[in-house]
Amino acid sequence: DTEVTQTPKHLVMGMTNKKSLKCEQHMGHRAMYWYKQKAKKPPELMFVYSYEKLSINESVPSRFSPECPNSSLLNLHLHALQPEDSALYLCASSLGQTSGNTIYFGEGSWLTVV
Amino acid sequence: LAKTTQPISMDSYEGQEVNITCSHNNIATNDYITWYQQFPSQGPRFIIQGYKTKVTNEVASLFIPADRKSSTLSLPRVSLSDTAVYYCFPRGQNFVFGPGTRLSVLP
Repeated sequence: DTEVTQTPKHLVMGMTNKKSLKCEQHMGHRAMYWYKQKAKKPPELMFVYSYEKLSINESVPSRFSPECPNSSLLNLHLHALQPEDSALYLCASSLGQTSGNTIYFGEGSWLTVV
Repeated sequence: LAKTTQPISMDSYEGQEVNITCSHNNIATNDYITWYQQFPSQGPRFIIQGYKTKVTNEVASLFIPADRKSSTLSLPRVSLSDTAVYYCFPRGQNFVFGPGTRLSVLP
């Protein structure tokens, strides 16, 4: 089983709203990731968590706030977003952060900011 | 920072073998190379991963020369359902995808 589950699949939010994207895996993976993907572009790394601690933050604006409540869950809290933040947000996980550990992706959450 | 390049697009016909080559000149010693397939509105799907020489699974083969500065994904006998974007992903510390190759399989 290599399943990463993301909810919701679609989200529309206003620029003053606060919402969250959720991600769950039960593969015993200890590294979890958030990527952002714009149309016709490759996914771009946002955050990496390793053993529930933030390991990498790719200079993401503070209006995106990640949280890893436990080893199976990863959240992305959204506040005061801009229309240009509309994109597909992908969660992923791997056994560990080091190379050689395959990264598995969820189906993504489509975010539209109006 | 390592720069990864791959062809922007490729066309093929059903039943043909397709080879997509990715260049990753600055790959680090410990980096593995992973390839993903992505359909519209879906997340990237793992295809194959390797470190050197040749790796084969039930859907593809991956060829990595001794200098590891490139890798080639080989899809045998493609079908219409293989139309997708294929990403090369030299798995290093920066977790950066290649630009993707849009493969169109024609009948």
